[in-house]
Amino acid sequence: DAKTTQPNSMESNEEEPVHLPCNHSTISGTDYIHWYRQLPSQGPEYVIHGLTSNVNNRMASLAIAEDRKSSTLILHRATLRDAAVYYCIDHFGNEKLTFGTGTRLTIIP
Amino acid sequence: GAGVSQSPRYKVAKRGQDVALRCDPISGHVSLFWYQQALGQGPEFLTYFQNEAQLDKSGLPSDRFFAERPEGSVSTLKIQRTQQEDSAVYLCASSFTADSLFFHLSSYDEQYFGPGTRLTVT
Repeated sequence: DAKTTQPNSMESNEEEPVHLPCNHSTISGTDYIHWYRQLPSQGPEYVIHGLTSNVNNRMASLAIAEDRKSSTLILHRATLRDAAVYYCIDHFGNEKLTFGTGTRLTIIP
Repeated sequence: GAGVSQSPRYKVAKRGQDVALRCDPISGHVSLFWYQQALGQGPEFLTYFQNEAQLDKSGLPSDRFFAERPEGSVSTLKIQRTQQEDSAVYLCASSFTADSLFFHLSSYDEQYFGPGTRLTVT
């Protein structure tokens, strides 16, 4: 299974942008890059995904390196509700999701 | 609309007891996944159903774990003779409507997770 690597934890001030990095050293050509997050005491929730191009949605932006070996999830203006564990996952089709340990994001008021 | 629901939310079992955990997926979703999440870790895959067919059970840790989805909707994860190492949060996720699966040419569909069942074995 493809495994990604992320920092264990990050902190950010409230209302500032947050850049969460991920390395995709074993990503295959058909894998999409997915980001999920898990708020305290909840199941994971989908955030965003992309293949090669940068992507934006109402929750976040995703920047993908040209060689696809790294990606960055961007929260443009972090709020306290964004405090969560963020997971980047290489994923294809209807396969199971292979989670790593993720990045625990702490938002400082 | 209704999301994925799981029951019970919390379960305490004495070692050796059998437990049954229920998952109600989003209506119309054909794919259903079970994951196990130990404290401080990411979720780990247990098993996968497409409708009523269990297509992958490679993640089930032992033959004490059994899952079923007899009518292709509600699923039950059963753990027999529970052990302390079974203590974890058990997460259920669903994805894919029948239409999107049939016409599925791209390689993406998000999984929708329930809140999980926290199992504590004492």
